[in-house]
Amino acid sequence: EVQLLESGGGLVQPGGSLRLSCAASGFTFSNYLMAWVRQAPGKGLEWVSGISGSGSNTYRGDSVKGRFTVSRDNSKNTLYLQMNSLRVEDAAVYYCAKSLGGDLYGFDSWGQGTLVTVSS
Amino acid sequence: VLTQSPGTLCLSPGERATLSCRASQSINSRFLAWYQQKPGQAPRLLIYGASSRATGLPDRFSGSGSGTDFTLTISRLEPEDFAVYYCHQYGSALTWTFGQGTKVEIK
Repeated sequence: EVQLLESGGGLVQPGGSLRLSCAASGFTFSNYLMAWVRQAPGKGLEWVSGISGSGSNTYRGDSVKGRFTVSRDNSKNTLYLQMNSLRVEDAAVYYCAKSLGGDLYGFDSWGQGTLVTVSS
Repeated sequence: VLTQSPGTLCLSPGERATLSCRASQSINSRFLAWYQQKPGQAPRLLIYGASSRATGLPDRFSGSGSGTDFTLTISRLEPEDFAVYYCHQYGSALTWTFGQGTKVEIK
């Protein structure tokens, strides 16, 4: 059974940093593109960042470019999101998601989310 | 950009729900997915490739469309189907976009 478990969320002041982790199990982690998706309170879903299975290709949404960095450690089956220069508008539940893989597009497994609060 | 309509759909159990997702430019239907989200839960993949059902999805859910216009249809609403639905597009270079969502609520 695929399991994704996020951690690392919490309260941080504007301008601060936070590192989220997503521990994966139940599948061959290195074979799958992974992504971070966030959801601000009462709002819709927003794609944040993606990383290829090998980790060699990473991509970020415009709202987080230059501030957030996605990475992965395939030896530890773990996905990361380093968030710097946090803003009030970055406050959200952050989900990690696993891609379908192969030639299919979509995210078929999601973690339960970790809450990031940005406030002074 | 993906634009979903309507914003809210008020229907009764047993009725048919038709949700629309319109892209600002033509997309490959392979890149279009639909998700369901209930309060306090993570999204759940329903449809990928515009019309392929995710594993275990009841056949009352179906997806269709091509080019710029895509549709998610729930043939007969069950109580557990009342939720928010998002369409989702893969763009270029590992980037994705979500629609703003359609809430299906009980009439």
